[in-house]
Amino acid sequence: NAGVTQTPKFQVLKTGQSMTLQCAQDMNHNSMYWYRQDPGMGLRLIYYSASEGTTDKGEVPNGYNVSRLNKREFSLRLESAAPSQTSVYFCASIRTVDGTEAFFGQGTRLTVV
Amino acid sequence: GESVGLHLPTLSVQEGDNSIINCAYSNSASDYFIWYKQESGKGPQFIIDIRSNMDKRQGQRVTVLLNKTVKHLSLQIAATQPGDSAVYFCADFLNTNAGKSTFGDGTTLTVKP
Repeated sequence: NAGVTQTPKFQVLKTGQSMTLQCAQDMNHNSMYWYRQDPGMGLRLIYYSASEGTTDKGEVPNGYNVSRLNKREFSLRLESAAPSQTSVYFCASIRTVDGTEAFFGQGTRLTVV
Repeated sequence: GESVGLHLPTLSVQEGDNSIINCAYSNSASDYFIWYKQESGKGPQFIIDIRSNMDKRQGQRVTVLLNKTVKHLSLQIAATQPGDSAVYFCADFLNTNAGKSTFGDGTTLTVKP
């Protein structure tokens, strides 16, 4: 989707491995989000960042860490991957002041074996 | 815990008919709501939003209704087209600065030609 770049698109990890999912937006939005989506379900919020320099836990933060490197970038790290973290991960960038813009990345399909 | 949920998991309509997708939310403090559309293999796409101080908002072929008394919102799609076939999610936010958000599980809309 326009404005949000998420990498990688696919990843297979072994249990216990670590990795970082990258997300960048070029729309100057303050708020960025990381969600996971399991098959046939809605998106569950992992972490969000309401502004540069701040991060907060969502519904399912355990096993993840995030970093709001600057206004553009918001990364999600799995320190020790577990099979329960097999999912599709989406990054989002949202502005709700002076009109609404909400864009999602294309998703990262992560499999932990 | 707080939740946002949709009444029906699937909805099938004839092309040209109007569609109504419903969503119930439980957090009375929710201040802002977004409807998203998600096509297979893609990230969610913003459709329309509404703030808690409104009860109706119209977009192009779509209308969102908010009933805070019963904590219910709906998405109405006029003259449904095959391209409208997708999964539709509602999401609530605790404030209009796009802080913490919760997604419902989604309704799959199928449009029959």
